[in-house]
Amino acid sequence: QKEVEQDPGPLSVPEGAIVSLNCTYSNSAFQYFMWYRQYSRKGPELLMYTYSSGNKEDGRFTAQVDKSSKYISLFIRDSQPSDSATYLCAMSARLGAQKLVFGQGTRLTINP
Amino acid sequence: EAGVAQSPRYKIIEKRQSVAFWCNPISGHATLYWYQQILGQGPKLLIQFQNNGVVDDSQLPKDRFSAERLKGVDSTLKIQPAKLEDSAVYLCASSQTRIRAYEQYFGPGTRLTVT
Repeated sequence: QKEVEQDPGPLSVPEGAIVSLNCTYSNSAFQYFMWYRQYSRKGPELLMYTYSSGNKEDGRFTAQVDKSSKYISLFIRDSQPSDSATYLCAMSARLGAQKLVFGQGTRLTINP
Repeated sequence: EAGVAQSPRYKIIEKRQSVAFWCNPISGHATLYWYQQILGQGPKLLIQFQNNGVVDDSQLPKDRFSAERLKGVDSTLKIQPAKLEDSAVYLCASSQTRIRAYEQYFGPGTRLTVT
């Protein structure tokens, strides 16, 4: 069993839709949760960073962490064609002391 | 602020040949990471440097991969000899400190094809 599982998609939605991206994990020690966006032929870029459980909002993006269920989500509101990319979740038990473990990524396409 | 630079961007070699990748991190970033990203998968950490010292190389195939970060700035990753399964994108990333590992800045990567 992989430490971090992510539905690879692909996921295709119309412009303006609400998108939900999810990851599950098995390591209960994970406390730090990140979402990265990766455009084709580019390196990943950090979108959101959350510590422990709860919600965090940044513009059209909301990250949710449910540690009791070992489940994290990224919601994108009013999705735009420019949001088309691969979204990677990543997590760590102790920043600086333990490496980030990435999910395999979900490929998202927003259709105009 | 300049981003993380990597070269070359693309490389095609035959199996059993050697190859080297170069990375220049963001100025002032003490921590440098090399990742391997196989098509359809997330990045996997190969090695992490803090300044010019190795912090984590537990997933580096040391019989064929080597890396160094001289003077705590630029870094090179070498594969010798290459195998078909080494075909992947090799990403370099840097962060200000180890604690700020959540805020890693990635380079564009080097796409390696081993034939």
